[in-house]
Amino acid sequence: EPEVTQTPSHQVTQMGQEVILRCVPISNHLYFYWYRQILGQKVEFLVSFYNNEISEKSEIFDDQFSVERPDGSNFTLKIRSTKLEDSAMYFCASRDGLSGTHEQFFGPGTRLTVL
Amino acid sequence: KQEVTQIPAALSVPEGENLVLNCSFTDSAIYNLQWFRQDPGKGLTSLLLIQSSQREQTSGRLNASLDKSSGRSTLYIAASQPGDSATYLCAGLDPHWYALNFGKGTSLLVTP
Repeated sequence: EPEVTQTPSHQVTQMGQEVILRCVPISNHLYFYWYRQILGQKVEFLVSFYNNEISEKSEIFDDQFSVERPDGSNFTLKIRSTKLEDSAMYFCASRDGLSGTHEQFFGPGTRLTVL
Repeated sequence: KQEVTQIPAALSVPEGENLVLNCSFTDSAIYNLQWFRQDPGKGLTSLLLIQSSQREQTSGRLNASLDKSSGRSTLYIAASQPGDSATYLCAGLDPHWYALNFGKGTSLLVTP
């Protein structure tokens, strides 16, 4: 069964460094999302992406964040200068845009630890 | 902004029991509601999706209901098994942003 994949599974970085989290959405899906979950807290929406541009973004998604679909398969989240509070699990999700259900399928997540 | 609340925060039951997990949301204008399962340190597995026009969905031992007018959804698990132990999250899809608003989850432990 098709699934969303994410790499790496765990990323450790120093404060101030740039990180790129990678996702491969399900191949025929058109809409892509990033969410994050700080330990012990709710899963929070960051950004949605369609037709090579951002559709919506939350107040969390400030200028330190950017997203890109560099080719036909990858979807990336870049954090330009990481802060301690960026430590979280980051989930990528995708949906097909054709079925009408708007069901989102999630990847296994990348655990980001900022030291 | 849509607020999603899940009660109880944690639940422990003996194997074989039927149980109900509750989810409430403040804005009835949700597009759909999804229930997810999350194992410790893992991703989100979609269990059931209920469209706003539907009242319930069933998959195996799971049944989810939706009452938009009262802002509630329930997830019913029949004949619970130790393998059902996980955190269960509900999430309503915002009809304007098409982004999911999640509850904090109910942590379920099914003891043998």
